[in-house]
Amino acid sequence: QQQVKQSPQSLIVQKGGISIINCAYENTAFDYFPWYQQFPGKGPALLIAIRPDVSEKKEGRFTISFNKSAKQFSLHIMDSQPGDSATYFCAASDQAGTALIFGKGTTLSVSS
Amino acid sequence: EPEVTQTPSHQVTQMGQEVILRCVPISNHLYFYWYRQILGQKVEFLVSFYNNEISEKSEIFDDQFSVERPDGSNFTLKIRSTKLEDSAMYFCASSELGSGTGELFFGEGSRLTVL
Repeated sequence: QQQVKQSPQSLIVQKGGISIINCAYENTAFDYFPWYQQFPGKGPALLIAIRPDVSEKKEGRFTISFNKSAKQFSLHIMDSQPGDSATYFCAASDQAGTALIFGKGTTLSVSS
Repeated sequence: EPEVTQTPSHQVTQMGQEVILRCVPISNHLYFYWYRQILGQKVEFLVSFYNNEISEKSEIFDDQFSVERPDGSNFTLKIRSTKLEDSAMYFCASSELGSGTGELFFGEGSRLTVL
């Protein structure tokens, strides 16, 4: 129940294309869903986060879509750029302060 | 910009040896965490620490592991007797609020290689 399932494991997208990464969870107590971006040799860094009171959140080229009934959320990267090439992790937690649980990660390569 | 700093960046040790990984969290943060990432795999939660005590730990965090905040600025992870499977990148993180309410800031990691 503590798992967050992420797909795909890897993704290759042409420059300018849309990158879509999906995550699913089981624990209905989760109410905080961040996405972290990790470049090689660096620690994960928060990219964007959403709470279940909204179905979508957009920050620049990055959008989270959230489907509470399906217990799924996804990251969309519009106009993908080579600089977006990184590993993306979805994660989940709850306001009771339980640990942030990460998905297995998606390695995104944006080709020019 | 404030950041989480970790030392050493890389440590090589023999199996059975004790290892201490050090972290300096962001100064006004109250919650501290250790995560690990085995090469190419997901980031796994080890332990969270608040108000000078462990608030949560995972199944990975067994009796071989301990954490300490010895002097009000450092946050350490000790592995008492390292095993080959402890080889991983260890990330320290801190947050101003708990992990369900705010951003975790991660350090750049300490790579541990157990031979």
